[in-house]
Amino acid sequence: ETGVTQTPRHLVMGMTNKKSLKCEQHLGHNAMYWYKQSAKKPLELMFVYNFKEQTENNSVPSRFSPECPNSSHLFLHLHTLQPEDSALYLCASSQGSGGDTEAFFGQGTRLTVV
Amino acid sequence: QKEVEQNSGPLSVPEGAIASLNCTYSDRGSQSFFWYRQYSGKSPELIMFIYSNGDKEDGRFTAQLNKASQYVSLLIRDSQPSDSATYLCAVNWGGTYKYIFGTGTRLKVLA
Repeated sequence: ETGVTQTPRHLVMGMTNKKSLKCEQHLGHNAMYWYKQSAKKPLELMFVYNFKEQTENNSVPSRFSPECPNSSHLFLHLHTLQPEDSALYLCASSQGSGGDTEAFFGQGTRLTVV
Repeated sequence: QKEVEQNSGPLSVPEGAIASLNCTYSDRGSQSFFWYRQYSGKSPELIMFIYSNGDKEDGRFTAQLNKASQYVSLLIRDSQPSDSATYLCAVNWGGTYKYIFGTGTRLKVLA
């Protein structure tokens, strides 16, 4: 098993659909993250969870709803998305914060909203 | 608003040359600095991190941190075509779980 696994790798959804992105980490880390990567824009931090508790919500629209049932799993529930939400969604995890602690990334889910 | 700035490039260097990538950050409270490499269609992977002023070397890579000037750089010696990728600078504030990224610099190493 790779360290951080995301499913699905690709997703096409209509604006009225409801779908979920899944992330699982096998590294024993306590923190998990959702990032959005759009073309020519920096990685945007969306949500942070530490020991299942949300510690950061970076003014993300309510059509994105995160869920963290335990320290190893993270979901991003999607509903009534807009075409501008099309992007690469990256999950990451870390043990602790900052210092010599890096964030490990999954392979991402390429989302297209039509 | 904490910001991390990078020149988007592309930065083109010939094979065997030194590639120099720069990053500036806005918040003096920043404590840890990371360089990630991202190949097209792939996820970011860590190259190295630094949190003390000065240089840190790891193989062909050297990270340089100057907190007074609020910049961090990455030098790649003996650049190879396989180094062609986008290099992301990330900043973390100690005690938080926020890694803030720059837009990345696209590096092209010409064979």
